[in-house]
Amino acid sequence: GAVVSQHPSRVICKSGTSVKIECRSLDFQATTMFWYRQFPKKSLMLMATSNEGSKATYEQGVEKDKFLINHASLTLSTLTVTSAHPEDSSFYICSASRESDNEQFFGPGTRLTVL
Amino acid sequence: GESVGLHLPTLSVQEGDNSIINCAYSNSASDYFIWYKQESGKGPQFIIDIRSNMDKRQGQRVTVLLNKTVKHLSLQIAATQPGDSAVYFCAENMGSGGYQKVTFGTGTKLQVIP
Repeated sequence: GAVVSQHPSRVICKSGTSVKIECRSLDFQATTMFWYRQFPKKSLMLMATSNEGSKATYEQGVEKDKFLINHASLTLSTLTVTSAHPEDSSFYICSASRESDNEQFFGPGTRLTVL
Repeated sequence: GESVGLHLPTLSVQEGDNSIINCAYSNSASDYFIWYKQESGKGPQFIIDIRSNMDKRQGQRVTVLLNKTVKHLSLQIAATQPGDSAVYFCAENMGSGGYQKVTFGTGTKLQVIP
């Protein structure tokens, strides 16, 4: 099956610092990667979509300067939360899709806590 | 898309019984639907999908029913087991521009009573 990993799985940082989260497709090439945010007991909300080698497309209300997304290769996308604040604390989940089908393969998520 | 509720609706089911989880979607143009299972602290896991040209699809212990007339989707789990306890999300795929945008529903928490 197609496996997507995320690193780190859990991170705690101080307010004002930046945090980078990596999303990797381990056994397939991901033409498109997606970043979601999930608050406790809530649904997943799409933040942005990125295609390898091009700029990410952000959903309405998501600050692109706050959440920097890079998709430099077909197996790696990164999400950097810049100048993090406590309200950025959340569960961040990435997914990756292949060109061959519609299915998105989800990573295990990263729990970010900003103190 | 669907609105996010203040809290997750919960379905409690006795072990061995069948579970039915319902979902309403809003976009009549959606042509692909997916059910995901999410366990606590983990990412969503694909369960089953269905395209809009079908009204029923069966997997192992799971069945998805699609009613396009009323824009309703359901997931049936046969002989529910404790390991089925999780939050279940329906999602609609609104693909455009060469990539697929998946919109998640509110989610239903399934509690299996041993």
